Amino acid sequence: DIQMTQSPSSLSASLGDRVTITCRASQSIDKFLNWYQQKPGDAPKFLIYGASSLKSGVPSRFSGSGSGTDFTLTISSLQAEDFATYYCQQSYTTPYTFGQGTKLEIK
Amino acid sequence: QLVESGGGLVKPGGSLRLSCAASGFSFTSTWMTWVRQAPGKGLEWVGRIKSKADGGTTDYAAPVKGRFTISRDDSLHTLYLDLNSLKTEDTAVYYCGTLRSQQYNINQWFIWSDPWGQGTLVTVSS
Repeated sequence: DIQMTQSPSSLSASLGDRVTITCRASQSIDKFLNWYQQKPGDAPKFLIYGASSLKSGVPSRFSGSGSGTDFTLTISSLQAEDFATYYCQQSYTTPYTFGQGTKLEIK
Repeated sequence: QLVESGGGLVKPGGSLRLSCAASGFSFTSTWMTWVRQAPGKGLEWVGRIKSKADGGTTDYAAPVKGRFTISRDDSLHTLYLDLNSLKTEDTAVYYCGTLRSQQYNINQWFIWSDPWGQGTLVTVSS
């Protein structure tokens, strides 16, 4: 199975900050990388597919990049509603494994 | 929209059937997935089922293979997850999700889950 490793596991930031979350795959997955956002008590919400393609309606302050084994999710200017846990997921091959999550907290 | 049901408390070794009622999209032609989340933990992919037109085949994560079965009833627009030989480590919120896709090249498709249901809690405890 492909292992997905996110860093950091948690991150404290302030409103307006630019933050970057990293996701690394244990083998090359080309651009088959998704990002999800989850708030406490809610189901995950889909943000990005294909490493960098934003779901329609997702704010443009979210962006993704990378290919092969190394990927990033960047939030350009943190808003209050962005404080949540973020997960990467590879869809290169089943099982479609997730990273362990990055919890983004208010500083 | 996706609405899960069927969760509850079950003893180790027991069985349970989860349902996911779908509406508002073409269920028959949609691949579906189950993902779970243990209390306070991250997301874990459980498995997926293709549409019948694409063969209706299933894939499972190693921890559940041979114990869990994903099926679908297209006439009822319902996805199922049969959980057997349950272990305490199967305690989790179980989410169903639709699998969407976008062609990347002649042989490959990007696949992602959107939307997800609200989840149903399965607790395995004696």
